[in-house]
Amino acid sequence: AQSVTQLDSQVPVFEEAPVELRCNYSSSVSVYLFWYVQYPNQGLQLLLKYLSGSTLVKGINGFEAEFNKSQTSFHLRKPSVHISDTAEYFCAVSEPGGYQKVTFGTGTKLQVIP
Amino acid sequence: EAQVTQNPRYLITVTGKKLTVTCSQNMNHEYMSWYRQDPGLGLRQIYYSMNVEVTDKGDVPEGYKVSRKEKRNFPLILESPSPNQTSLYFCASSSQGSTNEKLFFGSGTQLSVL
Repeated sequence: AQSVTQLDSQVPVFEEAPVELRCNYSSSVSVYLFWYVQYPNQGLQLLLKYLSGSTLVKGINGFEAEFNKSQTSFHLRKPSVHISDTAEYFCAVSEPGGYQKVTFGTGTKLQVIP
Repeated sequence: EAQVTQNPRYLITVTGKKLTVTCSQNMNHEYMSWYRQDPGLGLRQIYYSMNVEVTDKGDVPEGYKVSRKEKRNFPLILESPSPNQTSLYFCASSSQGSTNEKLFFGSGTQLSVL
């Protein structure tokens, strides 16, 4: 069975500083990996996804993530954060085939400090 | 504009009083799903539907019902709400329900059961 672990429930960071949000997954087969962002009082939006190919995936708003199969990780990074990046970020995993069974992590709240 | 619309945005009710949360999408998506979001637990799937008249249980279906009589609508029904169903609920949809597709989310319904 697939699972996702987001070890950091909250990450405070100063504006214009770099940030890394950690995500580790567990699966017995190959996986698809996603990062979603939830801005206050909104639904989730897709930031980026990894399906196959290049392990470095670029998403919207300057975010990128790197798939590391040996470490079963998919950490999200941004070199310089803005106040508008304050949100909750969810890592998610699914397995090829079958229906839309997506397992979400518990979320990481990114707080950008002015 | 492509969107998933949930209503109401906020709902306060009392134990045992039946309620329905509506969800509608205008993208002609085959797949629709309901999630609940609780602090520290992330998003957990309640029910999903692969097409009209095709529904199935997710990870936490107890106490909920759904129906899919039309492609665009997927209401969530709580026949006899209890306080442990106090949560933030999200409806989501995707084109075919394949595991590599992105999910489109509604803005959420905050439910409080007293």
